[in-house]
Amino acid sequence: EVQLVQSGAEVKKPGESLKISCKGSGYSFTTYWIGWVRQMPGKGLEWMGIIYPGDSDIRYSPSLQGQVTISADKSISTAYLQWSSLKASDTAMYYCVRRLDPTQNFDYWGQGTLVTVSS
Amino acid sequence: NFMLTQPHSVSESPGKTVTISCTRSSGSIASNYVQWYQQRPGSAPTTVIYEDNQRPSGVPDRFSGSIDSSSNSASLTISGLKTEDEADYYCQSYDSDNVVFGGGTKLTVL
Repeated sequence: EVQLVQSGAEVKKPGESLKISCKGSGYSFTTYWIGWVRQMPGKGLEWMGIIYPGDSDIRYSPSLQGQVTISADKSISTAYLQWSSLKASDTAMYYCVRRLDPTQNFDYWGQGTLVTVSS
Repeated sequence: NFMLTQPHSVSESPGKTVTISCTRSSGSIASNYVQWYQQRPGSAPTTVIYEDNQRPSGVPDRFSGSIDSSSNSASLTISGLKTEDEADYYCQSYDSDNVVFGGGTKLTVL
């Protein structure tokens, strides 16, 4: 069974750093793209970027490039999303997703990680 | 970049049929596949339509998708509405390496 299991909820202060994770299981982790999708409170879905764990090829959304870093450790089948300096506007639910090619359908979703940034 | 525009909300009665539209602002809707996701409150989204009109296993055939090049839009149609269909629905497509979601449509079944 394919599963994407994300790390737990986080409460941080502005300016702090954070790294959240997404562990894949039940499939070949290195042969599917893994992406991140943001959902701000009460808002819609927003694609952030994607990584191919096989060779760490990364693509970022043009609107979010430079604000976050996406990485992966294929030895432990885990993808990461990290911030060096959080802002209150980073408060959101973050989902990791597995992407099917070439259709770009996100066929499996993690359960989501809620990040709250507040002073 | 392009945008995908959806109606903010739609409502219909149980047993009826509803159609949700998704209009692409630039570039051809037929150039890249469209997916549709259902998101119930408090849950992660799930795919109900992929590759414009394909249903994943487990999705009832009451759900169907289509594209219309003349209006440059995609549509999700749900027939025989059930109260369990009440959810937010998002269309999604892409262009080169950029992925775009529509703003989402809240479906109320009343």
